Amino acid sequence: AQSVTQLGSHVSVSEGALVLLRCNYSSSVPPYLFWYVQYPNQGLQLLLKYTSAATLVKGINGFEAEFKKSETSFHLTKPSAHMSDAAEYFCAVSEGAAGNKLTFGGGTRVLVKP
Amino acid sequence: GAVVSQHPSWVICKSGTSVKIECRSLDFQATTMFWYRQFPKQSLMLMATSNEGSKATYEQGVEKDKFLINHASLTLSTLTVTSAHPEDSSFYICSARDTLRGGAGGELFFGEGSRLTVL
Repeated sequence: AQSVTQLGSHVSVSEGALVLLRCNYSSSVPPYLFWYVQYPNQGLQLLLKYTSAATLVKGINGFEAEFKKSETSFHLTKPSAHMSDAAEYFCAVSEGAAGNKLTFGGGTRVLVKP
Repeated sequence: GAVVSQHPSWVICKSGTSVKIECRSLDFQATTMFWYRQFPKQSLMLMATSNEGSKATYEQGVEKDKFLINHASLTLSTLTVTSAHPEDSSFYICSARDTLRGGAGGELFFGEGSRLTVL
């Protein structure tokens, strides 16, 4: 079985400050890991994914995440927050290849203060 | 990137009626689609896996007769909420996997979601 835990349901950052969203996973097999962003009343957009290649993954909009097997973590970061980064972020895990069904974390809502 | 479209985006219905939500992959074929349910300020919960040409696979606790899924073609899956009640009010999101570009950790493409309100 697989599971995802996102620490912190809400994160508030100042514009220009570092954004750090934490994600820890549990998986019985080498995982595929994803970060998605959701804006109000919309579907999910893929930010980045880890698929057993490089452990440091760069995504869209300046986000990146690092896979740390020893810590079972896949934290998401962005060096400088923009107002447009205010949204809900979901970490997800998939066991195996080719888009098997995803298990999502509880989500973290990011608020960016001017 | 690939586009998945859901229709309708918003629907309001009376208690006891049935509502159909469509999920279409517009520029790719999808043998597998997934239906999720999202309550306000919560995460997405997988309801079922929709397979083209065969019966859907439902997650534990999801009523098959309540949430009817049909995947009649490689580009269309439908979710019908039968005899809807207020507790069925939710945001329903579908996702689809590109059959031809499934690769390792193949990306799932998500629809815009459909908000159902049952009065």
